[in-house]
Amino acid sequence: AQTVTQSQPEMSVQEAETVTLSCTYDTSENNYYLFWYKQPPSRQMILVIRQEAYKQQNATENRFSVNFQKAAKSFSLKISDSQLGDTAMYFCAFMKPSLNFGNEKLTFGTGTRLTIIP
Amino acid sequence: DAGITQSPRHKVTETGTPVTLRCHQTENHRYMYWYRQDPGHGLRLIHYSYGVKDTDKGEVSDGYSVSRSKTEDFLLTLESATSSQTSVYFCAISESTRWRAENTIYFGEGSWLTVV
Repeated sequence: AQTVTQSQPEMSVQEAETVTLSCTYDTSENNYYLFWYKQPPSRQMILVIRQEAYKQQNATENRFSVNFQKAAKSFSLKISDSQLGDTAMYFCAFMKPSLNFGNEKLTFGTGTRLTIIP
Repeated sequence: DAGITQSPRHKVTETGTPVTLRCHQTENHRYMYWYRQDPGHGLRLIHYSYGVKDTDKGEVSDGYSVSRSKTEDFLLTLESATSSQTSVYFCAISESTRWRAENTIYFGEGSWLTVV
């Protein structure tokens, strides 16, 4: 079974600074997908970024980028030029591709609560 | 916006009563999921559906049942609610089709359930 570990329960950073959230995972699979989801105070789960394990290039989405280290089983999220709206809970998640499309089950970490300080 | 609507958004119910949460989607997605979120656990899969009348269990399915009589609706039922089922429930969809795996899950806005 896969496990996902987020070792930083809480973090805070000044507005406009850069912050990196850590995530490690354990799997015996060679092909898989990794995600970061954002959960703001509204509690909605918002997909931030997605990484395919077979791609060596790190995914980026505007101010969000990842550092994917497959051998180390590490998948960190970097937020550049942090904004007040980035204040949220961030969850790292793992997905093993399924032979049956749609059987796409996510395994989540326990989350990191990020606060952006004005 | 994945076109997912959950109802009710908030509910308080008494122990032992049945409760049904509804997930409605407008984009004809084949695959739908129910997760629960609890402190210290992240989100955990309860049940999922891969088509009308086709459902299967997730990792925390005890005490829950699901039904999908129409593509657009996926119902989660707590047959006899217990305090341990107090949680936030999220419906989710995959954009995968029968022929193409998208391998990405999108979530609804959540339903807060309190069992007293």
